[in-house]
Order: sequence, then structure tokens, then C-alpha cells
Amino acid sequence: DIQMTQSPSSVSASVGDRVTITCRASHGIIDWLGWYQQKPGKAPKLLIHGAFNLHSGIPSRFSGSGSGTDFTLTISSLQAEDFAIYYCQQTSTFPPTFGQGTRLENK
Amino acid sequence: EVQLVESGGDLVQPGGSLRLSCSASGFTFTEYAMHWVRQAPGKGLEYVSGISSNGGNTYYTDSAKDRFTISRDNSRNTLYLQMTSLRPDDTALYYCVKDRVPYGSNSYYFDYWGQGAPVTVSS
Repeated sequence: DIQMTQSPSSVSASVGDRVTITCRASHGIIDWLGWYQQKPGKAPKLLIHGAFNLHSGIPSRFSGSGSGTDFTLTISSLQAEDFAIYYCQQTSTFPPTFGQGTRLENK
Repeated sequence: EVQLVESGGDLVQPGGSLRLSCSASGFTFTEYAMHWVRQAPGKGLEYVSGISSNGGNTYYTDSAKDRFTISRDNSRNTLYLQMTSLRPDDTALYYCVKDRVPYGSNSYYFDYWGQGAPVTVSS
């Protein structure tokens, strides 16, 4: 299985900050990469698919980039509702696998 | 509005069996592959199994293969996961999820999730 490693595991930031989360795949996955947001007690929500394609209804402050093995999720100006856990996911090779998650906390 | 509502989660003894159901509405169920993803308490997300839109193809991770069976009833807009030989490490919240892309091409991007069915395997 392809291993997905996120960094950092947790990050503290303030409203208005620019935040970047990285995800590295153990093998090249071209751009078969998604990002999800999960808030406490809730199901995950798809943010980005295909490395940089914003899912319907997701605010434009979220963006994704990267290809091959290294990817990033950027929140350009953090809002209060963005504090959550973020997961990357590869869909290049079965089974789809997720990173361990990055907890975004309020500083 | 897309809704996925799981049911059937329960406390079961090791070696026991359980069947989860997921009732879908708000989209054309017959057009989309469906999947199960689980999350152990305080842990990350793990893909379990998937099924094509017409039910003709099924997909399992190694941990689910030979123990779990995914199926669907397109006449009832319902997805199932039959789980047998359950182990303590199967303890998790099981999410029913919808594939993002219709018409037979599994994207494995999940655009809608249910609220999850809790499964606890313990004696």
C-alpha cells in the first residue's frame, strides 16, 4: 500500500494567518491526491480532489498544489471555522490510503 | 439534498457478525459506486471496501477480504456491509461514503459521508 505522511502532525495558528500543510506519498501518485477536513464529532468533508481542484462549495481560501510525491494544502487566510483535522488521501493505487492527519489548532 | 444514513452498528463479541446498512437519498443511487471507510476511536481514516454502481464489482482491503462482504440493493437505494469473524481491531465508526464520479469510474474521492455507524468488538 502507498503510505501517506503528513507534516506537521499539529499546527497552531491564528485567524487571518496563512497555513500550509504538507503530504508526502511513499510512491509517485501523479496528481491523484485529495484533501479532507474533519471537525470534532463530524464526518470528513472533501475539500480538494486531483491535487488542486476545489470541490463544489469550498471557499477559495483553500488551495492545493503538488505532483508526484509531494503535495501541499494552503489556507490563505485562516477563518475561525477552519480549525479542524486535515487528511490527505491518495487515489492512485488501490487501496486508497489516508495520511495520519494534521490538527490545526487555535493559537 | 444528499443523505446517507447508516444503521446496524452495535457491540459484538470477538468472532461475532454484524450487518451494517446505509440508506441513500438525494441522488441517483444507481449511478455511483459506494464505499465504506472506518475510523477507530481517536485515529485516522481507513478505507474498507467498495462496490461498483451496478454491484458487479467489489473491492476489499486485505484486512476486510474473506471476512467482510459489501453489497447493494439498487431497488432500495441501500448499501450493506456484512462483517464476520470480527476482531477487537475492527472497533471503529463505519462511514458509508459516495464516490464523486458517476457512471462506473471509481474515483475513490468521497464527496458525501454518512454520520457513521459505531461498531465495538469486545468481550
